[in-house]
Amino acid sequence: DAGVTQSPTHLIKTRGQQVTLRCSPKSGHDTVSWYQQALGQGPQFIFQYYEEEERQRGNFPDRFSGHQFPNYSSELNVNALLLGDSALYLCASSPLGVTGYTFGSGTRLTVV
Amino acid sequence: ILNVEQSPQSLHVQEGDSTNFTCSFPSSNFYALHWYRWETAKSPEALFVMTLNGDEKKKGRISATLNTKEGYSYLYIKGSQPEDSATYLCASTTSGTYKYIFGTGTRLKVLA
Repeated sequence: DAGVTQSPTHLIKTRGQQVTLRCSPKSGHDTVSWYQQALGQGPQFIFQYYEEEERQRGNFPDRFSGHQFPNYSSELNVNALLLGDSALYLCASSPLGVTGYTFGSGTRLTVV
Repeated sequence: ILNVEQSPQSLHVQEGDSTNFTCSFPSSNFYALHWYRWETAKSPEALFVMTLNGDEKKKGRISATLNTKEGYSYLYIKGSQPEDSATYLCASTTSGTYKYIFGTGTRLKVLA
């Protein structure tokens, strides 16, 4: 049974560009959350999607947006990239009403 | 306490030593406390989810306790092995919110 799958694993972008990160949740999970982990920090909550809607959002600017598809997979989009957006982006899935995430291994984004 | 704090930041122990880490979290509106084990280049792996004051959980040589009144949790590893080397993250959730608030982790290195 595949866990949470994220793609790509690494990518390098230039300041001002746009990026899309993808996540396939674990089978049976319908809720997807995204976290950003900058160097030396713990993961920071970006947002959570359920039933194709953003259910809660963390303290991130509107440049960060997302989407959830009918098959529960999700995308994280970041526009107008800044150097400070360089981080590991983690996707986590969970079944509705059950506390506890299953994490993917992350996408390492480097903005130059 | 407004954030989740973990100590120590890192530690090295000899194989066979027992060790413990601390996670401090906001006690108001507490809902759950999570411990994750994260090996380099892998996904964070869920260890424990605890919700009740006085909760104790055990998984092999690893155990955890929870004090929700004072807002702390301890993670214990008995007889550390090199394969225990990882970063141990804790995260708290509060009532009425879906986001997890993570600490910065404790990086453990077990020397053979």
